[in-house]
Amino acid sequence: EAQVTQNPRYLITVTGKKLTVTCSQNMNHEYMSWYRQDPGLGLRQIYYSMNVEVTDKGDVPEGYKVSRKEKRNFPLILESPSPNQTSLYFCASSSTGTRGTDTQYFGPGTRLTVL
Amino acid sequence: TQLLEQSPQFLSIQEGENLTVYCNSSSVFSSLQWYRQEPGEGPVLLVTVVTGGEVKKLKRLTFQFGDARKDSSLHITAAQPGDTGLYLCAGASGGSYIPTFGRGTSLIVHP
Repeated sequence: EAQVTQNPRYLITVTGKKLTVTCSQNMNHEYMSWYRQDPGLGLRQIYYSMNVEVTDKGDVPEGYKVSRKEKRNFPLILESPSPNQTSLYFCASSSTGTRGTDTQYFGPGTRLTVL
Repeated sequence: TQLLEQSPQFLSIQEGENLTVYCNSSSVFSSLQWYRQEPGEGPVLLVTVVTGGEVKKLKRLTFQFGDARKDSSLHITAAQPGDTGLYLCAGASGGSYIPTFGRGTSLIVHP
């Protein structure tokens, strides 16, 4: 089954404790991205990657890091989480990232709470 | 960052009613997509429109892209409880790989 998986689905942590949210897709997609979804603010893109070893900032990259060492994986790293990073996070992938016309496939989401 | 304004923000209707959701911007988009998101899940793509004035139908859902490619609408005929969810529009402009999402319209259809 074609899918995007994220782990963990739920995470409660404390300020300053480094964490990684994993994302994996099995569709051989080149383009992957991370979003955060907050009430009243909608979906905002954090980082995206056009291919292996190619990453770039989205609208809200501060406080986050990403890496793309393999085509299928695109982990999101919070080196020193803060309470304002409490949010619902989605990973997404699409075949080429062609501007706006590709289908983006979203993972099930990771709900992160930073105390 | 370009803005996409969605209205209404919330909609609660009875089964069988018709409804329209709007997505508006002052900017021109090269394409616009509509997604539906159910609780506890990620958004799922419903449709992509790319041509000004384009109309696409998906069963009881009708999507329209404005002539000037600055706005779009989603019309649902005879809504059913299974249509309940958050409807998101997302626009892309020619020079950016960063799609702009609207804040969403939360629809509840009561049996």
